[in-house]
Amino acid sequence: AQSVTQLDSHVSVSEGTPVLLRCNYSSSYSPSLFWYVQHPNKGLQLLLKYTSAATLVKGINGFEAEFKKSETSFHLTKPSAHMSDAAEYFCVVFMGGSYIPTFGRGTSLIVHP
Amino acid sequence: DAGVTQSPTHLIKTRGQQVTLRCSPKSGHDTVSWYQQALGQGPQFIFQYYEEEERQRGNFPDRFSGHQFPNYSSELNVNALLLGDSALYLCASSSLGQGRANTEAFFGQGTRLTVV
Repeated sequence: AQSVTQLDSHVSVSEGTPVLLRCNYSSSYSPSLFWYVQHPNKGLQLLLKYTSAATLVKGINGFEAEFKKSETSFHLTKPSAHMSDAAEYFCVVFMGGSYIPTFGRGTSLIVHP
Repeated sequence: DAGVTQSPTHLIKTRGQQVTLRCSPKSGHDTVSWYQQALGQGPQFIFQYYEEEERQRGNFPDRFSGHQFPNYSSELNVNALLLGDSALYLCASSSLGQGRANTEAFFGQGTRLTVV
C-alpha cells in the first residue's frame, strides 16, 4: 500500500524568509510525486511534479522540491516567502503506474508580514 | 478556456436524500476523477471515468456512483446521504488515454455539500 505523510500541519514564516514543507512517502514501487496548492475557496493547482527524471524539480512561483529516494522524501522549498504563498499545500503520490492518487493531509502555510 | 467547472457551488441536503453533482472537464481532456475532501483533510479519491466507464475506484461505498457522458462531462451521485458525507467534492480532469497514468490533473473549485 502507498501512503504519504506531511510532517507539519501548520508552518509559519515571515515574508522574505525561506519555506520548507516536508513530505515523506512509503512505496514498494517507483513513485510519481506531486505538490498541489489550494487557496481558500479555490481548486487545487499543480506546483510541480516528479516522474523519475531529474531529482530536483522546479515548479511555479519559485517553488522547488528534491526527490530523495534514500530518505523517501519529497520536501517542498522556496527561498523567500511572499504573502500570496499563504495557502494549503498537499503532497500527492502515485505508485508505479497506479491511477489512484494518495493525498497527504495538507500543510497550512502562514506568512507573516 | 473555462477550465474545470463544477455545479452547484454549494448545496444543502437532508439525511437520506440523494444528490447529483456535475463537472465539465477542461477542453481537450477525456478523463474525469472525483474526490471527497472533508474539513481539515486531504482529498480522498472516489473514482475515475474514462470513455464513459468507471476505470478505477477508491474505498467508497456503492452509495457513491457516477457517470460520464459522450462529451466527457461527468456526474457524481450519492444516495441515502449521511451526515458524514458533508464535504467539499472536487472534480479533476486530465488527458490520460491508455497507459498515461500520472499526468497533470486540473481541479475545479468544488461543490460544498452540507448534509443536515
